[in-house]
Amino acid sequence: DADVTQTPRNRITKTGKRIMLECSQTKGHDRMYWYRQDPGLGLRLIYYSFDVKDINKGEISDGYSVSRQAQAKFSLSLESAIPNQTALYFCATSTGANYGYTFGSGTRLTVV
Amino acid sequence: RKEVEQDPGPFNVPEGATVAFNCTYSNSASQSFFWYRQDCRKEPKLLMSVYSSGNEDGRFTAQLNRASQYISLLIRDSKLSDSATYLCVVNLRTGNTPLVFGKGTRLSVIA
Repeated sequence: DADVTQTPRNRITKTGKRIMLECSQTKGHDRMYWYRQDPGLGLRLIYYSFDVKDINKGEISDGYSVSRQAQAKFSLSLESAIPNQTALYFCATSTGANYGYTFGSGTRLTVV
Repeated sequence: RKEVEQDPGPFNVPEGATVAFNCTYSNSASQSFFWYRQDCRKEPKLLMSVYSSGNEDGRFTAQLNRASQYISLLIRDSKLSDSATYLCVVNLRTGNTPLVFGKGTRLSVIA
């Protein structure tokens, strides 16, 4: 089993629908992150959490919300999806500021 | 200066060539540095950390130049399988802040 698991792997949804992307990890890391990736724009940070009671906005949090249900679970929600939220979404985990991240395999989201 | 800046490429090199990428960063107090590799539509994977004294892992060598605020990645004897995008990643700030990712440099190794 993967250390960082994202579900679903692919999703097509309609404009205005609510959708949740889920991330779970078995690495025991405290820190979890959500990124989106668009061609030519690189990885952009949406939200991050350093522990269960800590949630922080990233550079592009508008239109998104998150929930840290447990140390191992961090979910990203799009309350009302819009087409420009079509992107590849990655969850990542880490153990500290000087350590690299481990990424999940990504969720490819298409909003039509 | 952008926080973490990379030449997007693409770098097109023949098999067996040596290729080097640089990455500049904006904060002289940056603490830790990494190179990640990302294949098309896949997740980024840690290639190597970059240490102050430089470090090597097989055909890959990473170096840090604090005075000029850049890190580099050298790939010797390029293989077709090295074709990917290489992301420069920096812990730009002290304290608890997320790593900052460059937009990546694309490498194509050609037979």
